[in-house]
This record gives sequence, C-alpha cells and structure tokens, in this order.
Amino acid sequence: DMKVTQMPRYLIKRMGENVLLECGQDMSHETMYWYRQDPGLGLQLIYISYDVDSNSEGDIPKGYRVSRKKREHFSLILDSAKTNQTSVYFCASSLRREGQNTLYFGAGTRLSVL
Amino acid sequence: KTQVEQSPQSLVVRQGENCVLQCNYSVTPDNHLRWFKQDTGKGLVSLTVLVDQKDKTSNGRYSATLDKDAKHSTLHITATLLDDTATYICVVGDRGSALGRLHFGAGTQLIVIP
Repeated sequence: DMKVTQMPRYLIKRMGENVLLECGQDMSHETMYWYRQDPGLGLQLIYISYDVDSNSEGDIPKGYRVSRKKREHFSLILDSAKTNQTSVYFCASSLRREGQNTLYFGAGTRLSVL
Repeated sequence: KTQVEQSPQSLVVRQGENCVLQCNYSVTPDNHLRWFKQDTGKGLVSLTVLVDQKDKTSNGRYSATLDKDAKHSTLHITATLLDDTATYICVVGDRGSALGRLHFGAGTQLIVIP
C-alpha cells in the first residue's frame, strides 16, 4: 500500500519552543520533500532530500532544518518556532528516475505557533 | 512573483453540471503540468499529467488540456458529484526528474451543491 504518513496531524506550540514534524513512506522512494501551504498561496518548498543525508534547501529554508537518516523517514525541525511558521506542512515523496514522477503526499500537519 | 495563476479562485456548481478550471503559467522551461485534487484537510492526489506541446488526457469524468505555446491548461469535470468538492491545484514542473522544480498554483476551490 503506497503511503506517506505524517505525525502529528495537529500541533500547538508556543513561540520559542522546538518543533519536530515526522514523515514516513513505505515506497522506498529516494526523493522526499517538505512543503508548507498558506492560504491564498501555492505550496512552497522548504527542503528536498535526494536520499539519506543528501538534503538541499528549497525556496524558503530559513528557520527550518531537516534530517534524513533512513530512506523511509524524513524529519522537519523548527528550532525556536516563530508565529509566522504557523502553517500546514506537507511531506511528499517520489522516485528519482527521469520522467514525470508522481508525487505522493501525506495528509499534512497543521502547526499553530502561539 | 506568482508563476502559476489559477482561475476562478472559487466556483460553485450544482451536482450534475459540468465545470472548467483554468491554469495560466509563466514557468520556463515547462516540462510537464499536473493537476492535483486536495480534499479539505487532506493531502494532494494526482489526477493527471500533461507532457506534450499540445496534450489532452482523460481520467474518468476528469479531462485536461495543455497548450505549451499559450502556457495554458484546463481541467474539465463532467457531471459533477458532491465528492468533487475540493481544491484543485495546477502544478508546472520545469524538468522531468526530481532535480527539477515544481511550481504550484494557489488552487481553485470547487463546491458542488445538491
């Protein structure tokens, strides 16, 4: 069963606290992504990972870092969360081969930073 | 600068009616274009991918067109159902591999009423 699982689904944190968002996939996809989705905007790429310990910044990496120690698992970390990081965060995965690879998305984590 | 513009922003139709969603973009190069469906509170699910200079695809009640000369795509939904209520997102890929960038539109919110 092809699946991208995100945990937790909902999270409330206070400004300055650390945040850990977790993502897992069961398809052995090499490439994984973290996006955020804000009202009225398209999804914005935070980080992309091409495989274990092979991570690259996306368009809005400031204030975020990632960790990928196993192919099936990709974490997004917010050190000292800020209120403007309140958003819905999506993890996605795809194969790395050439072609119009389908992205498989998780259900999202809704983060509120108070 | 937004490179993928979708219209209308929102649309209300009665069950059984047809509807057309528009996507205009300025992304260059434009390797492929994909339409996603996002149910409320859920992740994105791929509906179709368009690749050729002038392309057409069909997936059940969903059909799509792409004209790369005009940088324009349409998504047609025939005989809408209540379950079609969702946000439909247009995504343009500038390469065919995971090394490329995906450019997301903000989506069209479709509401199907009885």
